Amino acid sequence: GAVVSQHPSRVICKSGTSVKIECRSLDFQATTMFWYRQFPKQSLMLMATSNEGSKATYEQGVEKDKFLINHASLTLSTLTVTSAHPEDSSFYICSARDPAGDQETQYFGPGTRLLVL
Amino acid sequence: GESVGLHLPTLSVQEGDNSIINCAYSNSASDYFIWYKQESGKGPQFIIDIRSNMDKRQGQRVTVLLNKTVKHLSLQIAATQPGDSAVYFCAESLYNTDKLIFGTGTRLQVFP
Repeated sequence: GAVVSQHPSRVICKSGTSVKIECRSLDFQATTMFWYRQFPKQSLMLMATSNEGSKATYEQGVEKDKFLINHASLTLSTLTVTSAHPEDSSFYICSARDPAGDQETQYFGPGTRLLVL
Repeated sequence: GESVGLHLPTLSVQEGDNSIINCAYSNSASDYFIWYKQESGKGPQFIIDIRSNMDKRQGQRVTVLLNKTVKHLSLQIAATQPGDSAVYFCAESLYNTDKLIFGTGTRLQVFP
């Protein structure tokens, strides 16, 4: 149980375009999902907390207009990187909590590697 | 700001030996701690967790120790195997919050 998927796993785009990344909880409903960014050989940095049916909560320094988050259902959250630039190239990972289990444990998706040319 | 840090960026062990990965945290308000394993190009995988009202918890081949006095967390892996090679992160959760704060990570290399 507690499986989280992401799509796509890898994306290459041109500078200035927008990219949408999907995060799905496959066998449970998640009212809260989290989005992280990880640069090479670095740790995970929380970008925002995605709440089903309400606005996302962004961490300090993360531009909400650049990283649009939509959590329209209990199994899907999307992150859209708008007007992507090479410095946005990174590994984006989502996580979700399974309310039926330990409500504090976050289960992570496989990640999406974004390369902006 | 407060952060979770690790003492050793890389740990090399021989197959069959025990591994100990350490983590220091600075926020005394943290009450929940998790160890994750991350293989190259993949998302973090939950290994084991511990709450602040405990000082030890055991899983299959893994043990987590928590020393709140010195704000130290460790992950012990028994009989380390090649498949254990990965980067290990500790993470802390502040009391009454949703957020996880990750440490800098330790790369575990297992050689035959």
